[in-house]
Amino acid sequence: DAGVTQSPTHLIKTRGQHVTLRCSPISGHKSVSWYQQVLGQGPQFIFQYYEKEERGRGNFPDRFSARQFPNYSSELNVNALLLGDSALYLCASSRQGAYEQYFGPGTRLTVT
Amino acid sequence: KNEVEQSPQNLTAQEGEFITINCSYSVGISALHWLQQHPGGGIVSLFMLSSGKKKHGRLIATINIQEKHSSLHITASHPRDSAVYICAVRANNAGNMLTFGGGTRLMVKP
Repeated sequence: DAGVTQSPTHLIKTRGQHVTLRCSPISGHKSVSWYQQVLGQGPQFIFQYYEKEERGRGNFPDRFSARQFPNYSSELNVNALLLGDSALYLCASSRQGAYEQYFGPGTRLTVT
Repeated sequence: KNEVEQSPQNLTAQEGEFITINCSYSVGISALHWLQQHPGGGIVSLFMLSSGKKKHGRLIATINIQEKHSSLHITASHPRDSAVYICAVRANNAGNMLTFGGGTRLMVKP
């Protein structure tokens, strides 16, 4: 089975622009979580979605939003990009009721 | 103070050495994860613990719930073990949300 996939792999945007990152979970996994990892730091939780509903939100501004589709894939949207949004964005999926999370390779976003 | 603290932040070892990475946390948890991150960013889950000890190959993870402390040990270290090792906890009543430590950067020299 394919693992968690994310697209794009790398992305360069300008301040003020909008970005959409995509994640496809492992087949059978209904929960998707998004994390931001700034260079040199551990990941920070952004959102968790389960069965297309938001189940958790980290301490991020409203410029960050996400959604989950009927096929359990997910999008993370960031509006009005700031230089500080430059980071590796990680997606992780897990089965219903289980805690083991499987991480995707990440999308590296650079904001100039 | 961060909820999850790791030590050391950086570690250099010679091939073959026994390595220990420590993780302390300040909240009640339902599970603790040890993760490995190689250059380029991909994260691999090594262990998920809620009590006791787990072993996989040359890797051993232990947790002491009362002391809020976990250790990751690598026996007979090898240069391919060079990576960032990250501890993450799932706090009680936090659903599936993980809180991460800052990571330990390990370099194993041949």
